[in-house]
Amino acid sequence: SAVISQKPSRDICQRGTSLTIQCQVDSQVTMMFWYRQQPGQSLTLIATANQGSEATYESGFVIDKFPISRPNLTFSTLTVSNMSPEDSSIYLCSVEDSNRWGSKQYFGPGTRLTVT
Amino acid sequence: GQQVMQIPQYQHVQEGEDFTTYCNSSTTLSNIQWYKQRPGGHPVFLIQLVKSGEVKKQKRLTFQFGEAKKNSSLHITATQTTDVGTYFCGHNQGGKLIFGQGTELSVKP
Repeated sequence: SAVISQKPSRDICQRGTSLTIQCQVDSQVTMMFWYRQQPGQSLTLIATANQGSEATYESGFVIDKFPISRPNLTFSTLTVSNMSPEDSSIYLCSVEDSNRWGSKQYFGPGTRLTVT
Repeated sequence: GQQVMQIPQYQHVQEGEDFTTYCNSSTTLSNIQWYKQRPGGHPVFLIQLVKSGEVKKQKRLTFQFGEAKKNSSLHITATQTTDVGTYFCGHNQGGKLIFGQGTELSVKP
């Protein structure tokens, strides 16, 4: 299993500012994933973060808006840039635990962002 | 990418009643995973299904993967208040999870 922590757990930010969310895993993992969950909605994958290379972004998400860092195998950051109220969401990081019997994902507790 | 559609969006049941949520895809899925998200919490892995026609049980929860591997269901027998939350199906594509819309279950005691 993997234990994931995120900082901050929640924040209220003004529009036009940026917030950096940190994700820490208690074990080394190749890929880390960042999701967004808008109020009352499902989770949408933002990007996949690999150590030593640029993140891979999903359709509708761009690096200028959501820059990601992955300095080592246990840590990643997601920045929400130039925020607007539409960015108010929960942001979650996750890692995959995969073996011969199958795979599962572990999620961090999430960062609840409110943009005013 | 492959999309999964999940119904219903909401389900309100009386404690003790059964509950079922369905997940459907227009294309064959290599796997289906199920997660539960309690109110205010994060998704927690329940199970993964990979075989055609597979049925797995976890206490009062029964998971099925269709013969054509295009649909799946989660059935809860005799719901309890602890079952409250949103249940998501998801398809794992090389580590990337594509989630269904989720079914929010509320249980009236």
